[in-house]
Amino acid sequence: DTAVSQTPKYLVTQMGNDKSIKCEQNLGHDTMYWYKQDSKKFLKIMFSYNNKELIINETVPNRFSPKSPDKAHLNLHINSLELGDSAVYFCASSQEGNQPQHFGDGTRLSIL
Amino acid sequence: DQQVKQNSPSLSVQEGRISILNCDYTNSMFDYFLWYKKYPAEGPTFLISISSIKDKNEDGRFTVFLNKSAKHLSLHIVPSQPGDSAVYFCAAKNGNQFYFGTGTSLTVIP
Repeated sequence: DTAVSQTPKYLVTQMGNDKSIKCEQNLGHDTMYWYKQDSKKFLKIMFSYNNKELIINETVPNRFSPKSPDKAHLNLHINSLELGDSAVYFCASSQEGNQPQHFGDGTRLSIL
Repeated sequence: DQQVKQNSPSLSVQEGRISILNCDYTNSMFDYFLWYKKYPAEGPTFLISISSIKDKNEDGRFTVFLNKSAKHLSLHIVPSQPGDSAVYFCAAKNGNQFYFGTGTSLTVIP
């Protein structure tokens, strides 16, 4: 009974393509997040989103866009993929207040 | 600009001994601190947390200490077990935003 699930687990595609990664949480949390873990293992916030606001890390290229059809889903769309986009992308969710985040198992994106 | 830092990328400890993982932060607005454990090919899992109004929180073998004046956080694992071998991330929260360190890879030697 997975709390935060993201699909696909692995994604291999060519430069220039457009792809999406899906994320769903069944915890009833208010806020969802996308992180990028780069080759140095640093977990870098990309977006956080709840029904009130979208906060975008200013360093994220506008080729990346979050889409939230409802409170339980936050999908990540990436246009015109580049070699530097190769990384592990983690989705997470949390409740407001001093509550921890719950993470999905990650999507390993490889750009050929 | 990394606001949360873990300066030791790796740590090896004998089974049964204490493991001490350290974390430093720069933003005095952080009000909630967490430790996560991560196994390969899995997402980080929450381990233990502490509010900025406390200086210690204990949960079984895991204790987190917070020194606000030094902007320093540490995780103690006693006694260490081989199953504790993983990457440990510290994190700090400000509002709805979490900031992570780069992780410390802990190896517990049987």
